[in-house]
This record gives sequence, structure tokens and C-alpha cells, in this order.
Amino acid sequence: DAGVIQSPRHEVTEMGQEVTLRCKPISGHNSLFWYRQTMMRGLELLIYFNNNVPIDDSGMPEDRFSAKMPNASFSTLKIQPSEPRDSAVYFCASSLGWKGYTFGSGTRLTVV
Amino acid sequence: GDSVTQMEGPVTLSEEAFLTINCTYTATGYPSLFWYVQYPGEGLQLLLKATKADDKGSNKGFEATYRKETTSFHLEKGSVQVSDSAVYFCALRDNDMRFGAGTRLTVKP
Repeated sequence: DAGVIQSPRHEVTEMGQEVTLRCKPISGHNSLFWYRQTMMRGLELLIYFNNNVPIDDSGMPEDRFSAKMPNASFSTLKIQPSEPRDSAVYFCASSLGWKGYTFGSGTRLTVV
Repeated sequence: GDSVTQMEGPVTLSEEAFLTINCTYTATGYPSLFWYVQYPGEGLQLLLKATKADDKGSNKGFEATYRKETTSFHLEKGSVQVSDSAVYFCALRDNDMRFGAGTRLTVKP
């Protein structure tokens, strides 16, 4: 099993540009989570899906952020337009039932 | 709402020292409890878990016991190694996973 796969690993973009982060969960897992990690705020849950349906997006900071899960094997997190304060490491995680989460290696986003 | 509070770091120990990282939780239901570890430049990895009161999770020499009476899930290891240097996160899961702020551990040779 390749685990949770995120791409890209690193992204540097200019303020105002659109950024798309991608995640492939573990096959068979039915829940997917997007987290943001910063030194100041730690790990923040942005949104999670259950069976491809968004369940709780209350952690999405503002309308510039959107997430989709068109099928069980793929999800995207989009920021449009990006701002310097969006710079962080973004993690995707997946799980099956009540088991623990499996995290991807993260995408380090830098907005200049 | 549900939440986790863990001891603030950083924690610095010498090799072979005893480790305790405190974690307490607040929950309305009966959550599962977890410890995750994050090595530099990597995502979080599940270290151990416990799903009900009095369960003990263990892995790689680390242990934690689910104490409902004290709402705690303290992480312990009898003899730490340099390779244990990482950030440790306590977490609970009822509907979604709630993480503590993380405790950075540095083990010196």
C-alpha cells in the first residue's frame, strides 16, 4: 500500500494566484480529512468528507478555500486567490471507520 | 466541544531517561484516544491508540493507558533514544479527530 499520496510536496506561488493541492487516499478508506499546520496555530482541521460527501467544512478559513472529492480516490483543496498568510503545510489524511488516521507527507505551500 | 490538552514543550532529555508527556481530554461521549508522532519534514504517524477505558496502547516501547476517571492518556517510555526526537500529538476521535498542540521532544546522547 502506497499510503496517502499528496502532491505537490512543495509549492511556491505568488500572491493572487490559484493553488490546487491534491490527495489520493488509501484505497478502501471512506473518510478523508484536510488539515493545515502552522507554528502559530498547530494542526487545524479544515474539512472532512465521509463517503465523498463533505460533512464539516467549518474549519475552512474563508471563501477563498474550497475542497472537492469527486470520487473515492481523489480530493483537491483549492485556494483562489492565494495570500501570504496561507503559507503552511497542508496535510491530507484518510481513515476507515473508527480506526486512526493515515496521513500523507504534506504539501508545503509558500505564498510570496 | 471535545478537546485535548497536552503538556507544553519543548522537552529535552538525555538518552535512556524516562519520558512522560501528559495529556488530558474533554469529551461528551466515549472517544477513542491516540498518540501520533511527527518526525521532521514528515506527516503524522499513528504511534498507539486505545478505544475504551482502561485500555493500554503500546508500540515501540511507548505506552499510554486510557483513564476515564482522570480523563487522561499520558504517554510514557522507560528509556528514550536519540531517534525518539520528534513532535508528539495527543488526539481524540469522536466524530472527527481533535489534536493537541503537540510536544516537541529532543533526546540528547
